[in-house]
Amino acid sequence: AQSVSQHNHHVILSEAASLELGCNYSYGGTVNLFWYVQYPGQHLQLLLKYFSGDPLVKGIKGFEAEFIKSKFSFNLRKPSVQWSDTAEYFCAVLGSSASKIIFGSGTRLSIRP
Amino acid sequence: ETGVTQSPTHLIKTRGQQVTLRCSSQSGHNTVSWYQQALGQGPQFIFQYYREEENGRGNFPPRFSGLQFPNYSSELNVNALELDDSALYLCASSWGTQEQYFGPGTRLTVT
Repeated sequence: AQSVSQHNHHVILSEAASLELGCNYSYGGTVNLFWYVQYPGQHLQLLLKYFSGDPLVKGIKGFEAEFIKSKFSFNLRKPSVQWSDTAEYFCAVLGSSASKIIFGSGTRLSIRP
Repeated sequence: ETGVTQSPTHLIKTRGQQVTLRCSSQSGHNTVSWYQQALGQGPQFIFQYYREEENGRGNFPPRFSGLQFPNYSSELNVNALELDDSALYLCASSWGTQEQYFGPGTRLTVT
């Protein structure tokens, strides 16, 4: 069965610190991978996506993620976080033969000003 | 803003009642998916509709049902509400299996 694991439930960083949020998935075939963000009181927004090609994907607001097929990982990174990055981050996978997106349980990111 | 709208924003129901949630897809999208997001968890897939037909279902009982209309708007119906049905219900529209765009959600509270 498909599954997505996000290793950190809550991450607290100071402004300008570097960020890496872990994501591992379980699926036997070709996958499409996503990172979504949910800012307080707002709806889910797509940060970035990987469908094929370059495994290093750049998204909005300075975020990037690297797809490592051998490790079944799709970690999210940002070199320098800002207070406005405070939000819940969800990793998600869509199998090529499936209709549903499987989400991880989310990582809450808190940034100290 | 994604162009996906949901109504109502908030809803309070009593255990055993029935509820209908509505979603209006982004223009040009022919697929709608529904998710349940319990507090502190990631969204869980309920089902998807493509061209008015159910196109995949998650681990939800039959009392969760849906409809998609010719204009690609959609409804989620839940019968015999239980306390555990309290959650944020998210609708997402897409063109086939491409990127899904989420609406703001409907917060359902069952008492």
